[in-house]
Formats: sequence, C-alpha cells, structure tokens
Amino acid sequence: GEDVEQSLFLSVREGDSSVINCTYTDSSSTYLYWYKQEPGAGLQLLTYIFSNMDMKQDQRLTVLLNKKDKHLSLRIADTQTGDSAIYFCAESGGGGSQGNLIFGKGTKLSVKP
Amino acid sequence: NAGVTQTPKFRVLKTGQSMTLLCAQDMNHEYMYWYRQDPGMGLRLIHYSVGEGTTAKGEVPDGYNVSRLKKQNFLLGLESAAPSQTSVYFCASSLDRYTEAFFGQGTRLTVV
Repeated sequence: GEDVEQSLFLSVREGDSSVINCTYTDSSSTYLYWYKQEPGAGLQLLTYIFSNMDMKQDQRLTVLLNKKDKHLSLRIADTQTGDSAIYFCAESGGGGSQGNLIFGKGTKLSVKP
Repeated sequence: NAGVTQTPKFRVLKTGQSMTLLCAQDMNHEYMYWYRQDPGMGLRLIHYSVGEGTTAKGEVPDGYNVSRLKKQNFLLGLESAAPSQTSVYFCASSLDRYTEAFFGQGTRLTVV
C-alpha cells in the first residue's frame, strides 16, 4: 500500500540550513504537504507543492520535488531555535484504511544555539 | 473563525470506563478525521468521514466508534477504555480529499 518515509531525527546549529527528506510511494499523489508540530500543539500546514511542480520557495522555506524518484525535501534556511519542532511529510489522493492523507512518522528537528 | 475545536483537552479514565471526544469545525468541510499520535508511531488514522452521515474505518479502528450526525461535528467514542488507548488524539477536517487538513489542538487521554 501507500507509504511515506522520513528520517526520525535531525540536529542542526542555529544559522545553518536544515534539509528534511521524505520519500513516498503513491505516484498519483496530487499534493504533497509539510506540516509542523510544535510541542503540545496540533499540526499546522507549513507549505505544500502541487505534483506538477519541481520547486516552491516561500521565504526561508524551499520545497523540492523529484517526482521520478518520489522524493520530497524541505529546506529551511537560516534555521532558528524557534524552528525546533516535528515536521511531517504527507501526500494526498490516497484512500482506503489510511484515508485521504498519508503521513510520514515525522522528523524531529532540534536546533542548537 | 475557530477552525477545529476539540473537547476536552485532557482526560484521565479508569480501565473500562467510556467517554466521547467531540470535534467541531466551522469551515463547512466535508471530510473529518480522527488520528491518534503515539511516540515513534506518527499519526495513525482511527476513523474518518467523507460527509454528514458517513463514517469509514481507518488504520486502527478497533475499540473506537464514531458518528457524524451533523456536518460540523465528528464524535469519537471509547466504549470500554483500555491502557493501550492512552494517547494524544487529534481531529482534523478538510474541504475535500486533496486539500489541506486543518487540525485541532489535541486531546491527551490517559487510561489507568
């Protein structure tokens, strides 16, 4: 079935760039999302990319999509301590027992001062 | 505009007790979801609904029931709580099957 994989942890120093990677299996995905979860809070949409795009930039965030390899990445430039959170990759357009949104397990980003 | 509101935010239950978690959304969304989040397991879908009066099983439906009698509300019930149901529960809603899901703030449930 459909699956989304991402590494569980990433640690960077403040001011460096962070790159969080994600792979997915459903080639028919329409949108791919990045959600951010801060401690004790729900998930908030950070950014998304439509499946016919290769790249999307939004201030410090850059999303790259390699549809051939089914690889999605999120780059955060000039990472700040406030960026420390769990980042979830998700794809849409699925179905069945996973519903319409399929989430990865989340990457915990730790930013050291 | 409140978005997605979950009630309650925290709850402690004894094994065997029952309870209902309420999710309300004011965005006129068709799709609503209940997830549980456990350490190292990510988000797992319990049940979802694609419209008023409909429900469907997700990845981990056992021990839970749901109802969607009104479009804006999605209720998650635990008939006989077990310690394995200790978790953080998130409700979400979306306009359709492709677009962004909006999440509630979560309900932290402990079953002792």
